Amino acid sequence: GAVVSQHPSRVICKSGTSVKIECRSLDFQATTMFWYRQFPKQSLMLMATSNEGSKATYEQGVEKDKFLINHASLTLSTLTVTSAHPEDSSFYICSAMGAGGQPQHFGDGTRLSIL
Amino acid sequence: DAKTTQPNSMESNEEEPVHLPCNHSTISGTDYIHWYRQLPSQGPEYVIHGLTSNVNNRMASLAIAEDRKSSTLILHRATLRDAAVYYCILRDTGGNTPLVFGKGTRLSVIA
Repeated sequence: GAVVSQHPSRVICKSGTSVKIECRSLDFQATTMFWYRQFPKQSLMLMATSNEGSKATYEQGVEKDKFLINHASLTLSTLTVTSAHPEDSSFYICSAMGAGGQPQHFGDGTRLSIL
Repeated sequence: DAKTTQPNSMESNEEEPVHLPCNHSTISGTDYIHWYRQLPSQGPEYVIHGLTSNVNNRMASLAIAEDRKSSTLILHRATLRDAAVYYCILRDTGGNTPLVFGKGTRLSVIA
């Protein structure tokens, strides 16, 4: 069964709207969570890494003020796309990992479409 | 992370074995070899991982070359549900570093 739950699975909204995506680890404590983005026919690109209780570390080229990440507990991380525009339309995927180098588990992704 | 090289695409007939190759000539001694797959419109799914010895689980087998510069993911009997993009990724042991995805191999399964 799924060990990482991501919600919502699909969002369609108008340009300028802010969208929040939730990622939960269901049966383990996720000390580290990762957020990826995937454009059509491309591979996953890492956006940011977050550790519980700390500020997220963003990859080069990812705007931290646009993609707000909160990892307030060991089972929940959220990604908020602020003032989304059509170019932010993409497939966003979260991933969670417990301590000690365990395998990463992935959510089923959120398809974001900005009109 | 050390780089891996995979064929862009492969094709298999249903119920036949599939061998998906991966080259990682710059692998370091502490890198694990991970395989994930991504079905259409889903997040990646863990398949298998190993360090030096061959590994088997309910999904697949992983054969690792003696010099560790290449590995092969083996699906013993391909089904239509195995059609996906398969990613071979190296990750340092014990770390909390994220998986870095390459382009992977798109596997098509023909009925």
